Amino acid sequence: DADVTQTPRNRITKTGKRIMLECSQTKGHDRMYWYRQDPGLGLRLIYYSFDVKDINKGEISDGYSVSRQAQAKFSLSLESAIPNQTALYFCATSDLNRGSDEQFFGPGTRLTVL
Amino acid sequence: AQSVTQLGSHVSVSEGALVLLRCNYSSSVPPYLFWYVQYPNQGLQLLLKYTSAATLVKGINGFEAEFKKSETSFHLTKPSAHMSDAAEYFCAVSGGSSNTGKLIFGQGTTLQVKP
Repeated sequence: DADVTQTPRNRITKTGKRIMLECSQTKGHDRMYWYRQDPGLGLRLIYYSFDVKDINKGEISDGYSVSRQAQAKFSLSLESAIPNQTALYFCATSDLNRGSDEQFFGPGTRLTVL
Repeated sequence: AQSVTQLGSHVSVSEGALVLLRCNYSSSVPPYLFWYVQYPNQGLQLLLKYTSAATLVKGINGFEAEFKKSETSFHLTKPSAHMSDAAEYFCAVSGGSSNTGKLIFGQGTTLQVKP
C-alpha cells in the first residue's frame, strides 16, 4: 500500500542537541507538511512544501528547519533542541491533482527533549 | 483568514448513545471541511470531508456531518456510540477552491465511551 512513514517513532534527546526527523512517502504526492501536536492545541503547521524547490514557513517555524531532498522525502531538523519542543510530530502529504486538500498522515514521532 | 473552534475538549457518552461533536469555522472563502480521527498511538485518519457537493456527508464507521453555511458549523454525529469510537477527533478547514493547500485544525475533542 502507498504510505507515509516517519523515522524514528520515538526519540529522547537532551537540550542543545541537533535532531532530524525523517518522512518518506510512496503515494506520489507533490505536497508535504510537518505539524506538531500538543495537548489542547490541536495540530500546528511548522513547514510545508508544494514541490522539491518550494519550501514555506508555517505558523510555528522558529527553531525548526526543513529539507526536501526529493519528491518523496521531507526532513525536519531541530538545530538546537529545547524542552518546549517536546511534542508529537506528524508528517503529511496531499495531492494537488486531487483538488480537495485532503491530507494523509504518517504515524507520528514522539520527541522528548530533556 | 480561517479558523476552527471545537466546542468541548472532552465529550463522554454511554455505549449506544448519540455522539455529537461540535465544530464551528470561520472562512473568508467557501471552505472545504474535514473530520479526522486519531486513535491512541496512531496518526490521523480521515473520517469524512465536505468539498461543496452534498451538505450532508457520510463517512466511515457510521459517522456523518452536515455543512450548515448559515451557522458556520460542521458538527459530527453518530447515532449509536461503540466502545471502539473512543479516540480524539479533529475538525479542519481549508480554503476550498482557492487551493491554498493548507489545513487549519481545531483543538481536538477527546471522545470517551462508557460501557
